[in-house]
Amino acid sequence: AQSVTQPDIHITVSEGASLELRCNYSYGATPYLFWYVQSPGQGLQLLLKYFSGDTLVQGIKGFEAEFKRSQSSFNLRKPSVHWSDAAEYFCAVGSRMNRDDKIIFGKGTRLHILP
Amino acid sequence: DGGITQSPKYLFRKEGQNVTLSCEQNLNHDAMYWYRQDPGQGLRLIYYSQIVNDFQKGDIAEGYSVSREKKESFPLTVTSAQKNPTAFYLCASSIGIPSPNTEAFFGQGTRLTVV
Repeated sequence: AQSVTQPDIHITVSEGASLELRCNYSYGATPYLFWYVQSPGQGLQLLLKYFSGDTLVQGIKGFEAEFKRSQSSFNLRKPSVHWSDAAEYFCAVGSRMNRDDKIIFGKGTRLHILP
Repeated sequence: DGGITQSPKYLFRKEGQNVTLSCEQNLNHDAMYWYRQDPGQGLRLIYYSQIVNDFQKGDIAEGYSVSREKKESFPLTVTSAQKNPTAFYLCASSIGIPSPNTEAFFGQGTRLTVV
């Protein structure tokens, strides 16, 4: 069964510093992978996704993520965070099996920004 | 504009009552999902549906029921059998067939409180 692990529940960085949020997945084949962001009391917004091809994917708001098959990871990065990036971030994995097409989410990482 | 609409935004339920949360999408998506979100738990899958008149249990289906009579609608009923229903509920939809265009689109959520 597919699963997603986000090992960090909270991350605090200073404004302007670089950011890396970790995500590890478990799946028998190459999954499709997502990063979403959620502001308090809102739905989720897609930051970026990986389906195939180039393992470094660019997303919105200056975010990028790298798919590393050997490490079963899909870490999210941003070179310089802004105060508006404070939110909760979710990594998700989707199945490539059409009969079991569901998307599973990690428990999230809450990002705090210091001024 | 295409999107997913959840209603109501806030819902209060007395103990022992059933309540139904509405989810409508006009994206022509085949797959729809219901997730429950609790602090520190991430998004847990309740039910999902890949096609009209068919749905599957997710990880925490007990105490919930769904129907999928129309492609655009996927209502969730929280029954009196759900012992701890207070949570934030998110509905999502996706194309349903894994492809480079696959991603989940989310509604704004319904916050259910038992009083």
